[in-house]
Amino acid sequence: AAGVIQSPRHLIKEKRETATLKCYPIPRHDTVYWYQQGPGQDPQFLISFYEKMQSDKGSIPDRFSAQQFSDYHSELNMSSLELGDSALYFCASSLYSPLNEQFFGPGTRLTVL
Amino acid sequence: AQSVAQPEDQVNVAEGNPLTVKCTYSVSGNPYLFWYVQYPNRGLQFLLKYITGDNLVKGSYGFEAEFNKSQTSFHLKKPSALVSDSALYFCAVRSLYQTGANNLFFGTGTRLTVIP
Repeated sequence: AAGVIQSPRHLIKEKRETATLKCYPIPRHDTVYWYQQGPGQDPQFLISFYEKMQSDKGSIPDRFSAQQFSDYHSELNMSSLELGDSALYFCASSLYSPLNEQFFGPGTRLTVL
Repeated sequence: AQSVAQPEDQVNVAEGNPLTVKCTYSVSGNPYLFWYVQYPNRGLQFLLKYITGDNLVKGSYGFEAEFNKSQTSFHLKKPSALVSDSALYFCAVRSLYQTGANNLFFGTGTRLTVIP
């Protein structure tokens, strides 16, 4: 079965640089979520999109933005990177409903030097 | 506000013994509860969920969880642990009646180690 695809899997950036993470949801899933998991931490919700519109917003810094495109893939744009942004970034997808489980991608490990 | 507590950072159990990973929650309205497992350098894998109905929910890989409304708990269980069950386990909750209804609030995770 198709799973959530994230690219790149690993990314190394310097402080103040920008990064773009991509997420391709499971086919026919209409909702995409982004989570950030710091070292030894639980995943923290950043932002979600339903049918290409932002549906919920969590603890996403103003330096970050995201969007969902017409093919339902999503991109998380991160600017003015800080050391504290080093984390594992997960994308998840689901059919829109609080009853449905979210399926997570393998994550993008971002390291900011 | 929604929250999840996993009181044990680490659980050790001998292979073949039953295991329990504890989770308690706080939410307004009916809770939707989930368990996920995370293996090293991997994404979170869905194990099971409670939405409504029977309090005992069966999931993947022989895991089950018991919903207890009076104790606001949703403990994960397995009758006989395998070494391959060693991983990080996250309990998560969402509620229909609060903002951010579709995103998950995770507990801090419990590292399960099954000893051969």
